[in-house]
Amino acid sequence: QKEVEQNSGPLSVPEGAIASLNCTYSDRVSQSFFWYRQYSGKSPELIMSIYSNGDKEDGRFTAQLNKASQYVSLLIRDSQPSDSATYLCAETPGGGTSYGKLTFGQGTILTVHP
Amino acid sequence: SQTIHQWPATLVQPVGSPLSLECTVEGTSNPNLYWYRQAAGRGLQLLFYSVGIGQISSEVPQNLSASRPQDRQFILSSKKLLLSDSGFYLCAWRAGQLYGYTFGSGTRLTVV
Repeated sequence: QKEVEQNSGPLSVPEGAIASLNCTYSDRVSQSFFWYRQYSGKSPELIMSIYSNGDKEDGRFTAQLNKASQYVSLLIRDSQPSDSATYLCAETPGGGTSYGKLTFGQGTILTVHP
Repeated sequence: SQTIHQWPATLVQPVGSPLSLECTVEGTSNPNLYWYRQAAGRGLQLLFYSVGIGQISSEVPQNLSASRPQDRQFILSSKKLLLSDSGFYLCAWRAGQLYGYTFGSGTRLTVV
């Protein structure tokens, strides 16, 4: 069974620090990868997507993808208390019968303390 | 622009009662639609997905069923709820392989 594993949390960082969230996946033909942020009691919100090896930056967020090593990471620079949430990694399985399904990791709880 | 609506937001139901959760998408046609459940402190579990009207695929055996009576409507149902059906139910749609899901606001179901 294809799996997505996220680094175990919870993760606590001080305000202004860099938070690093990691994710590994088992499907070698996975095509696209996503990071979601989920505040307590709310639905997940898409914050980053990445499809090609390398880095993708969007404001304070940087997603990194290494298909050879099968990992994807999310860096949050200048972390703020408002970044405190659960972060979910997701990938699109390879093959033609995935029907657009996403496989999610179990999530990493991030706490940014003042 | 596309929007996804899900209701109700919260629901408390007794064991053995029926369930109907509704999800509708606006601003797109023939979307792929998905129902997920998130148990307390757990990850997202895919329950059902649909690629078109009347086309439902179930991911895991369970006490629930889904239907898609219209192109942009996706319904999650149960005839008799179990305590284990409690959780946060999320409907989602996806524009294509290069896009992630857009989730509805979710329904918090508590079976008592």
